[in-house]
Amino acid sequence: TQLLEQSPQFLSIQEGENLTVYCNSSSVFSSLQWYRQEPGEGPVLLVTVVTGGEVKKLKRLTFQFGDARKDSSLHITAAQPGDTGLYLCAGGDNNNDMRFGAGTRLTVKP
Amino acid sequence: DTGVSQDPRHKITKRGQNVTFRCDPISEHNRLYWYRQTLGQGPEFLTYFQNEAQLEKSRLLSDRFSAERPKGSFSTLEIQRTEQGDSAMYLCASSWTGVLTEAFFGQGTRLTVV
Repeated sequence: TQLLEQSPQFLSIQEGENLTVYCNSSSVFSSLQWYRQEPGEGPVLLVTVVTGGEVKKLKRLTFQFGDARKDSSLHITAAQPGDTGLYLCAGGDNNNDMRFGAGTRLTVKP
Repeated sequence: DTGVSQDPRHKITKRGQNVTFRCDPISEHNRLYWYRQTLGQGPEFLTYFQNEAQLEKSRLLSDRFSAERPKGSFSTLEIQRTEQGDSAMYLCASSWTGVLTEAFFGQGTRLTVV
């Protein structure tokens, strides 16, 4: 069983601040996804990382995959209220199901 | 719209009743997943299919739960003799088998058992 731990569980910051959230596991993944979920909706895929050490940028969001492909981080620069939501990481293997972490609930206050 | 669709979006049922949810995946995807999510938690894996074969079932999936994907396209999740603890959001996702296991989700079915 792949276990993904996300930290912090909750994060409340002011608009304009930077933040980093983490996703850690003892398992190696062939790929790792980050999703954002708003209340009452399904998770929406933000990015997939595949290669150890890979860094991907999506506007103010920077995603990094650990060298050993066991962990990942999401850094948000100059957070905005629209970034508020539940950030989920999920690990996949082409031979197995996808498992999710419990998520980081981010609140960005105006 | 060629995304994942789930029906119904909301379901209120009395304890002890049976309910069935439907998921239509993205057409070219061969994998289909069911997850359950309670308030403030991440999605918990229930089961997944590759084509019509159900490859794995979580221990969370008691014998009151059954899922089918008869023709490798749409899937149904049935809960028999519902209990209040079954109240949750039921999410369906689909993906293509490969290195990039990118799953795309439907909007979910919110079940409330009263």
